[in-house]
Amino acid sequence: SYELTQAPSVSVSPGQTADITCSGDALGSKFVTWYRQKTGQSPVLVIYEDHKRPPGVPERFSGSKSGNTARLIITETQALDEADYYCQAWASDCVVFGGGTKLTVL
Amino acid sequence: QVLMQESGPGLVRPSETLSLTCSVSSVSVSSGLYFWSWIRQSAGRGLEWLGYIYHSGSTDLNPSLSSRVSLSVDTSKNQFSLTLSSLTPADTAIYYCARRWTNNAFDIWGRGIMVNVSA
Repeated sequence: SYELTQAPSVSVSPGQTADITCSGDALGSKFVTWYRQKTGQSPVLVIYEDHKRPPGVPERFSGSKSGNTARLIITETQALDEADYYCQAWASDCVVFGGGTKLTVL
Repeated sequence: QVLMQESGPGLVRPSETLSLTCSVSSVSVSSGLYFWSWIRQSAGRGLEWLGYIYHSGSTDLNPSLSSRVSLSVDTSKNQFSLTLSSLTPADTAIYYCARRWTNNAFDIWGRGIMVNVSA
């Protein structure tokens, strides 16, 4: 079955840039979606179609992709950005989620 | 504001069948713009897509679960439902309903319902 690989955790200082990656076979040919999930809450869409932001998502959030790796970049990271971040793609006739990256703002 | 809310039992016995309903407000499930989805989350399996249904009743299901999953939509009540059979403790999870928007992006999620499978 298809897998999306994310680092379990990323730490960043307030005001710095967080770089969260997601890798998978042939990911370059698939749309990647990103979600933020705070503790005890439902996931929230932050990036779709690799790099597009839904209404209401701050410009500090951006998405990119190169080869088989997608990235979620959060600039000027704030304490309120602490959350789990999941990537997602469609592969093998299935919606697949990455294992999630816990972002800690120290 | 679009709202989605899951309802159903919080505890189900092993080997039994789980039935959950998602009630949708402020948008019609008959809209041809969206697919209506079920996703679950557990500590052991992370986020797992179960499937989605279109207003016509056509479905797309996770191949690994398709033998146990059934989806239905009730346009008169603006609801859609999940049935998951032959439950085991591994099916213990938070079950979310969600709206699939463009290119498999889920833009609206319910608050989730915790389901425990236990004797």
